[in-house]
Amino acid sequence: TQLLEQSPQFLSIQEGENLTVYCNSSSVFSSLQWYRQEPGEGPVLLVTVVTGGEVKKLKRLTFQFGDARKDSSLHITAAQPGDTGLYLCAGGSGQGAQKLVFGQGTRLTINP
Amino acid sequence: DTGVSQNPRHKITKRGQNVTFRCDPISEHNRLYWYRQTLGQGPEFLTYFQNEAQLEKSRLLSDRFSAERPKGSFSTLEIQRTEQGDSAMYLCASSLARGLEQYFGPGTRLTVT
Repeated sequence: TQLLEQSPQFLSIQEGENLTVYCNSSSVFSSLQWYRQEPGEGPVLLVTVVTGGEVKKLKRLTFQFGDARKDSSLHITAAQPGDTGLYLCAGGSGQGAQKLVFGQGTRLTINP
Repeated sequence: DTGVSQNPRHKITKRGQNVTFRCDPISEHNRLYWYRQTLGQGPEFLTYFQNEAQLEKSRLLSDRFSAERPKGSFSTLEIQRTEQGDSAMYLCASSLARGLEQYFGPGTRLTVT
């Protein structure tokens, strides 16, 4: 059974600080996706990484896929209140995404 | 709006009743997925379709659950004889057949009283 563990589960920081969220597994994934979810809504895709060691940037967000494709990290620089939300990592295997295995999420709160 | 849509957004039902949810995927997407998300957890895979064929079902999908995608477009998820443990957010997602990215709808929040 493939599992993804996210840490921390909860994070509350002040506006302007930097943070990193981790997503770890003992299994290899062919792709890794990060989503953000607001209360009462579905997850919104932020990024997909597929190559070991790959780094992608989305404005102040930096995503990295581990060399062995078993782990990933999300780094936010100069966090803003608008970054508040539930961040989910999800691993895919096989051709196409097929089913995704999700971590339990990191609930991020940025205080003004 | 050309994203994934789900109806209803909220459903409150009494234990033992049957409920049906609908998902309309992004029009050119061949694959359609159902997930369930309980409070404080990430979504869990239930089943997926490629066109009208149901290709995989999770063991989470008990005999009381059935999903269909009769014409390869919209899909329905039915839960028979609902139980309180069925209370959750039911999420639908769609993707291209060889696409890595899955795009989610807003979900249907089910509350069983």
